Amino acid sequence: QVQLQESGPGLVKPSDTLSLTCAVSGYSISSGSWWGWIRQSPGKGLEWIGYIEYSGATYYTASLKSRLTMSVDTSKNHFSLKLNSVTALDTAVYYCVKKEAGWFAFDMWGQGTMVTVSS
Amino acid sequence: DIHMTQSPSTLSASVGDRVTITCRASQSVKSWLAWYQQKPGKAPKVLIQKATTLESGVPSRFSGSGSGTDFTLTISSLQPDDFATYYCQQYEDYPLTFGGGTKVEIK
Repeated sequence: QVQLQESGPGLVKPSDTLSLTCAVSGYSISSGSWWGWIRQSPGKGLEWIGYIEYSGATYYTASLKSRLTMSVDTSKNHFSLKLNSVTALDTAVYYCVKKEAGWFAFDMWGQGTMVTVSS
Repeated sequence: DIHMTQSPSTLSASVGDRVTITCRASQSVKSWLAWYQQKPGKAPKVLIQKATTLESGVPSRFSGSGSGTDFTLTISSLQPDDFATYYCQQYEDYPLTFGGGTKVEIK
């Protein structure tokens, strides 16, 4: 059974870098699926951040692209998100997600992790 | 960006009711439309992909219809487990975008 689990700091200071990792179990991250991040805040609802293929190909939302880096570690079967220069607007629940390659929706979600940007 | 508009934003219904939620895209997304169910404190769960394809394990009382810009999620007979918030999402074009959600409440 595929499971995704986010981990990372729950509190990040303004202007710092938000770093999250998603551990994948029950499924190889090299299988050909795409691995991504979605966030949810009261003010903006569900917002797609981006995703990455195991080979490293990435798709990022344009509004965050300049601050965003995603990576995959096949040896640890996990993938990561780094968002730099954060502000209070980046406060949200962050979900890691999986989708199949091609035109598919997100078929697996992590439980989500709350990240607050505050000094 | 493709803007997704759901209506209503809140819906009050009783167990056994037939419930319909609509989602409208600002431009055609063909059939690349998914529906998700989210319960408080939980991650969304996909119910339907490609506008009409029910995910494995999802009860048959859920159905999706539509193509282009207008889509519908129908629950044929609302059950206690169905009280939740529902979101549509298009995956025709980047950035992938979600509707604002429809909260189904107990009447």
